[in-house]
Amino acid sequence: SAVISQKPSRDICQRGTSLTIQCQVDSQVTMMFWYRQQPGQSLTLIATANQGSEATYESGFVIDKFPISRPNLTFSTLTVSNMSPEDSSIYLCSVERWVNTEAFFGQGTRLTVV
Amino acid sequence: AQKITQTQPGMFVQEKEAVTLDCTYDTSDPSYGLFWYKQPSSGEMIFLIYQGSYDQQNATEGRYSLNFQKARKSANLVISASQLGDSAMYFCAMRVFGNEKLTFGTGTRLTIIP
Repeated sequence: SAVISQKPSRDICQRGTSLTIQCQVDSQVTMMFWYRQQPGQSLTLIATANQGSEATYESGFVIDKFPISRPNLTFSTLTVSNMSPEDSSIYLCSVERWVNTEAFFGQGTRLTVV
Repeated sequence: AQKITQTQPGMFVQEKEAVTLDCTYDTSDPSYGLFWYKQPSSGEMIFLIYQGSYDQQNATEGRYSLNFQKARKSANLVISASQLGDSAMYFCAMRVFGNEKLTFGTGTRLTIIP
């Protein structure tokens, strides 16, 4: 399994501000994934982050709102920009150690926007 | 496109009884993997079990087993001898080989009653 450290674990933010979430993995991985889980809902993929290239965003998610950095093979950040109460969700990073194997998740960041 | 359906929004089960969580999936691709995850109230996603579409036998991991019926496109999770710590949300997910994206179902909230 992979050990994933995600920070912060939770935060309460004012609308209009931005929050950057960090994801650190204990070993090098090719792909890192960012998911959003709105209250009472399932997980939705925001984007896939590859080292050395721009992230690939899913339909409904844009780089201006959710900029992602992937400076090396063990680290990534997701920023939630210009937040509104609708951004209140759990945000999770995920990695796969090998292709077509299980995905491991960080502990999640529980974000509340007021 | 892939789709996962979990028809049980919530279940209540007596402690020590076995429980089956339903999952059906839809894909036209012959090569895929099926996953089950547990999400406690803390928010983390815990990988439980994996079944590949070409696996001849049903997957088992301790008290977890996956009842894989390929012709019916179902991948039900069976938890034997349920424990109070099994109370959580359970998500079924699928990935088509060659596509790194995981598609999740809507989840089932399992509550174990002492």
